[in-house]
Amino acid sequence: GDSVTQMEGPVTLSEEAFLTINCTYTATGYPSLFWYVQYPGEGLQLLLKATKADDKGSNKGFEATYRKETTSFHLEKGSVQVSDSAVYFCALSNRAGNQFYFGTGTSLTVIP
Amino acid sequence: GAVVSQHPSRVICKSGTSVKIECRSLDFQATTMFWYRQFPKQSLMLMATSNEGSKATYEQGVEKDKFLINHASLTLSTLTVTSAHPEDSSFYICSARTGQNNEKLFFGSGTQLSVL
Repeated sequence: GDSVTQMEGPVTLSEEAFLTINCTYTATGYPSLFWYVQYPGEGLQLLLKATKADDKGSNKGFEATYRKETTSFHLEKGSVQVSDSAVYFCALSNRAGNQFYFGTGTSLTVIP
Repeated sequence: GAVVSQHPSRVICKSGTSVKIECRSLDFQATTMFWYRQFPKQSLMLMATSNEGSKATYEQGVEKDKFLINHASLTLSTLTVTSAHPEDSSFYICSARTGQNNEKLFFGSGTQLSVL
């Protein structure tokens, strides 16, 4: 079945460091891929998405490229800030939209 | 942006009691709501999908008589954990969407259930 494998955390970085959180997926067909972020005490929020191969999703300095050949959707940011401290979830949705699969979440802490 | 309110955020109950968790879409009509469960360091697991006015569709392995889901209106879905036991202790999250587009999927902040 469809699934998402996400890099385990926690991840601790200094401010302005480069961030990569790995995400790979297994799916039949052509899924849509998402990154969600959960700030402390809040619900999950959509961070970015990509709906087809080679699409790049971007938002708030974060980027992820839908790589069909490597079945990956790694999240990157060139320079993290303290305010980026949160839990990040990679997710996959099948084309029919009736199934949604999440990774285990990666906790990121950015220290000044 | 759209807001989904989930209540309570944390609940502690005795074994054998029932607990109700509410999920409300505050500024949109949620035709579909999803309920997830998350164990520590594991993925969110989809428990059930509910469409307004119809019975919920449960995922394999989820006991429908234990996890009662009601989606009586376009803005409210409830999950009732009946006769809760310590193994039901978990983090429960709801999400809501309008239409079929999963890009318009909004999440509640979750409920941490602890059964003593």
